[in-house]
Amino acid sequence: EAGVAQSPRYKIIEKRQSVAFWCNPISGHATLYWYQQILGQGPKLLIQFQNNGVVDDSQLPKDRFSAERLKGVDSTLKIQPAKLEDSAVYLCASRPSGTAPYNEQFFGPGTRLTVL
Amino acid sequence: GQNIDQPTEMTATEGAIVQINCTYQTSGFNGLFWYQQHAGEAPTFLSYNVLDGLEEKGRFSSFLSRSKGYSYLLLKELQMKDSASYLCAVYNFNKFYFGSGTKLNVKP
Repeated sequence: EAGVAQSPRYKIIEKRQSVAFWCNPISGHATLYWYQQILGQGPKLLIQFQNNGVVDDSQLPKDRFSAERLKGVDSTLKIQPAKLEDSAVYLCASRPSGTAPYNEQFFGPGTRLTVL
Repeated sequence: GQNIDQPTEMTATEGAIVQINCTYQTSGFNGLFWYQQHAGEAPTFLSYNVLDGLEEKGRFSSFLSRSKGYSYLLLKELQMKDSASYLCAVYNFNKFYFGSGTKLNVKP
């Protein structure tokens, strides 16, 4: 079974530029999460999709971050314009449908963003 | 709100046993997960607890006390490859809330 795919793996941009990350979840997984992980901290949920609908985006800085999940499969996360404090690893995770806790989430390798 | 606390860093010797604690105060609770994260890699699932008690999985065990808002991860027969960060996450209504992680250093 193929895992969660993310690209690019690394990205370096200057502040005020824009950047986009792509995620392809495990086939059939209805739930998709985007997390931000700043160095030395745990992952922080940015947005959660159930199929192609947003379930929770309460921690997404909507003035600069946007995300979509077209057709309930792939997802993109965009930052425009980027700030220095956006430097972090952006993790995508997917999970089968259903809310049973034993349905673990599977993480992609992440995109490491450096904003100069 | 969600408040999840773990020690920042621990050091243990190869072959020993180490216990990593996690305390939480959250507005809801449906389970507690432990993840391992090697430097520069994504987190990988280790264990989860929904009910009070001990869950054993090879060299790893996890314990939960819901009344005390407390969990621990027990690693036995430590190996050098166990050097990593260990993340405690509270699961609530299809969302995961992570602690900051405990960096474990295993020395020879």
